[in-house]
Amino acid sequence: DARVTQTPRHKVTEMGQEVTMRCQPILGHNTVFWYRQTMMQGLELLAYFRNRAPLDDSGMPKDRFSAEMPDATLATLKIQPSEPRDSAVYFCASGPSTDTQYFGPGTRLTVL
Amino acid sequence: SQELEQSPQSLIVQEGKNLTINCTSSKTLYGLYWYKQKYGEGLIFLMMLQKGGEEKSHEKITAKLDEKKQQSSLHITASQPSHAGIYLCGAGNQGGKLIFGQGTELSVKP
Repeated sequence: DARVTQTPRHKVTEMGQEVTMRCQPILGHNTVFWYRQTMMQGLELLAYFRNRAPLDDSGMPKDRFSAEMPDATLATLKIQPSEPRDSAVYFCASGPSTDTQYFGPGTRLTVL
Repeated sequence: SQELEQSPQSLIVQEGKNLTINCTSSKTLYGLYWYKQKYGEGLIFLMMLQKGGEEKSHEKITAKLDEKKQQSSLHITASQPSHAGIYLCGAGNQGGKLIFGQGTELSVKP
């Protein structure tokens, strides 16, 4: 049963620290998405990749956030330095195209 | 800026009843996505609609896109407790950015 995996599932860190979240897309999927969800802002699309190339990262704060796909089996989302307002659940999703997406369980980030 | 408004904000129905959730855009729609989320759990991608008049079904859930009305509707037939959750619509705006509605909370009473 193929699934999108995300690590860590929970992360508590202090303001100013670097945070790295990882996502393993379903094998064979060439489209990867990063979303963020908070109570205040709701769901937001941060970035998405196709064939490992970033197609859209306009939803991502550029000064502190970066998203990469070092290879087809790994997508990373980094925040440096982290701030309390970054506290949220970060979801990764993959799909064979933008028509279908399978979500990971999310990483719950708390920045103190 | 474009906004998506979902209605109703919350809905309680008796098991077995049909229901409809609407997602209305303030501007032209360029693709419309429907998602479902259960409390404390992740998101489930339901379907994507791209063309005016397009209709897709996933089990007992049917979604339609009315481009003229800048609206999509999600219809659940013979609702079950497993349908309970928060339904979110998302749409791409002219700039290609994906925006989301605030969600519709559905409760199904057994």
